Amino acid sequence: DADVTQTPRNRITKTGKRIMLECSQTKGHDRMYWYRQDPGLGLRLIYYSFDVKDINKGEISDGYSVSRQAQAKFSLSLESAIPNQTALYFCATSGMADTDTQYFGPGTRLTVL
Amino acid sequence: GQNIDQPTEMTATEGAIVQINCTYQTSGFNGLFWYQQHAGEAPTFLSYNVLDGLEEKGRFSSFLSRSKGYSYLLLKELQMKDSASYLCAVVDSNYQLIWGAGTKLIIKP
Repeated sequence: DADVTQTPRNRITKTGKRIMLECSQTKGHDRMYWYRQDPGLGLRLIYYSFDVKDINKGEISDGYSVSRQAQAKFSLSLESAIPNQTALYFCATSGMADTDTQYFGPGTRLTVL
Repeated sequence: GQNIDQPTEMTATEGAIVQINCTYQTSGFNGLFWYQQHAGEAPTFLSYNVLDGLEEKGRFSSFLSRSKGYSYLLLKELQMKDSASYLCAVVDSNYQLIWGAGTKLIIKP
């Protein structure tokens, strides 16, 4: 079984709709992250969480929100989707050390029409 | 600003050796990661360097020079399955991970 899972894997939606992307992990890690990836650009951090009570904005948090429901679950929401949020979204987890390796989920391909 | 530069694309021949370079200008340095990412898939960890020098791991090696703000990933005995993007990422002074745009490596028979 995969250590980091994401649902859905693919989603097509319309402008203005609310979308939730979910991430679960069985690695026992405290730290979780949401990234988006666009062609020709590096991974960009949206939000990150170091434990259930800790939520931090990343480089590009505008238009997104997150919820850390449990140590193992971290959800990303787009309150009102817009076309330039079309991207590949990845969830990642890591251990407690600041330089621990990040482990990625399989990604969610989101298309906003 | 913070910047990581990698070539956009490289082509190499099966069985050969290829070196993928990464130069960085970041606010502080606490290590450098290399990840492999096949098209449409998740990035997977290859190596982590925090001290100068070469670290070898099977067919893959990673080199770091902190004074030059430079790293490279060396892939030997290339196989078709090595066709992928290779991502360089630097841990800055705030322990944030700064990602390069990646180098797409194309392997030809």
